[in-house]
Amino acid sequence: GAGVSQSPSNKVTEKGKDVELRCDPISGHTALYWYRQSLGQGLEFLIYFQGNSAPDKSGLPSDRFSAERTGGSVSTLTIQRTQQEDSAVYLCASSPIQNYNSPLHFGNGTRLTVT
Amino acid sequence: AQKVTQAQTEISVVEKEDVTLDCVYETRDTTYYLFWYKQPPSGELVFLIRRNSFDEQNEISGRYSWNFQKSTSSFNFTITASQVVDSAVYFCALSTGNQFYFGTGTSLTVIP
Repeated sequence: GAGVSQSPSNKVTEKGKDVELRCDPISGHTALYWYRQSLGQGLEFLIYFQGNSAPDKSGLPSDRFSAERTGGSVSTLTIQRTQQEDSAVYLCASSPIQNYNSPLHFGNGTRLTVT
Repeated sequence: AQKVTQAQTEISVVEKEDVTLDCVYETRDTTYYLFWYKQPPSGELVFLIRRNSFDEQNEISGRYSWNFQKSTSSFNFTITASQVVDSAVYFCALSTGNQFYFGTGTSLTVIP
């Protein structure tokens, strides 16, 4: 497909379990962003990648959250020991270059529910 | 600090009415970009428009128009003759340096 692909689209997990969320950016896009959208809230920045490196991890809520990107393409966001407050939609976006005038292209998100 | 404020959390209009979505931003940077995104019920955010800080010219695209005023730090979005398909959450965003800052969104419902 031509767009940003995220999987799974929905994930239900028990409190305390680990989860991995995957993002496939648009081919050739070097910049990749993760955001979190809680019910009725705006977009909360988590982390961004330029290539495989993450210059800005300031948005990660706690050390239970981590992310990596390999081959300048696929990214995985991992949440360890999930808590109920982690329930949200996790959105991934990519852009052709790390340039603040380049619009972000978003995926459909992963809806995470922690029971 | 950078900040985007969308004071209108929810708006309902009857089909064919005009509606304006407000966006106010804060930044000390002189060079920045402003964006509007649409998030329909399907969930995917769709890019609508980008405007740079040096271009205050208003823009019209079909039923959509945008009014950028640096004097009031606002970048408002107007939909003319609204349609049911316009029902969505609309986000305003500010981009400076390496970061994008999003408002909390305005949920628009167009009633047939």
